[in-house]
Amino acid sequence: KAGVTQTPRYLIKTRGQQVTLSCSPISGHRSVSWYQQTPGQGLQFLFEYFSETQRNKGNFPGRFSGRQFSNSRSEMNVSTLELGDSALYLCASTRDQETQYFGPGTRLLVL
Amino acid sequence: AQTVTQSQPEMSVQEAETVTLSCTYDTSENNYYLFWYKQPPSRQMILVIRQEAYKQQNATENRFSVNFQKAAKSFSLKISDSQLGDTAMYFCAFTTNYQLIWGAGTKLIIKP
Repeated sequence: KAGVTQTPRYLIKTRGQQVTLSCSPISGHRSVSWYQQTPGQGLQFLFEYFSETQRNKGNFPGRFSGRQFSNSRSEMNVSTLELGDSALYLCASTRDQETQYFGPGTRLLVL
Repeated sequence: AQTVTQSQPEMSVQEAETVTLSCTYDTSENNYYLFWYKQPPSRQMILVIRQEAYKQQNATENRFSVNFQKAAKSFSLKISDSQLGDTAMYFCAFTTNYQLIWGAGTKLIIKP
């Protein structure tokens, strides 16, 4: 069974731009979660989606948004990028409230 | 507040030795899952072991085992016969409200 896939793997943007990251879950998994990992803040929860509904959201500004499609694929968007948004963005999928399996991540660098 | 504390920022051991990574957590919930994940230099987050809080029996996965003390809110990971490939960051985490709460991680270095 294929694992969680994330695209793109690497991204370089400049301040003020916006970015969209994509995540395809393991087949059969309906829950997708997003996390931001930085050296300073560690791993922080962004949001979680199940059957196209956001069930929980972390403490991030409104510039961070996400959505989930009917095939469980998910996207997250960051608008008006700031230098501090440079991070590894991890996506994870699970059947529901169980073990989260992670994708390889997207490394975003904001210049 | 729901938190995870990993008190050892970095550890190093010789290959084939046994090492124990510490983790304490705080939650008011009664049913939850606890996890250890490893993150090697590739940055891929890999599940090491899982423990259901309602199970008293400690989970084991080959060379990896946990010591789960629910009353003390302690969840340590023991790695037996450590291998060079075990070199990674190790994160302790638990589930709540559709998210994982993470510790800061322990950098484990296995020396040849």
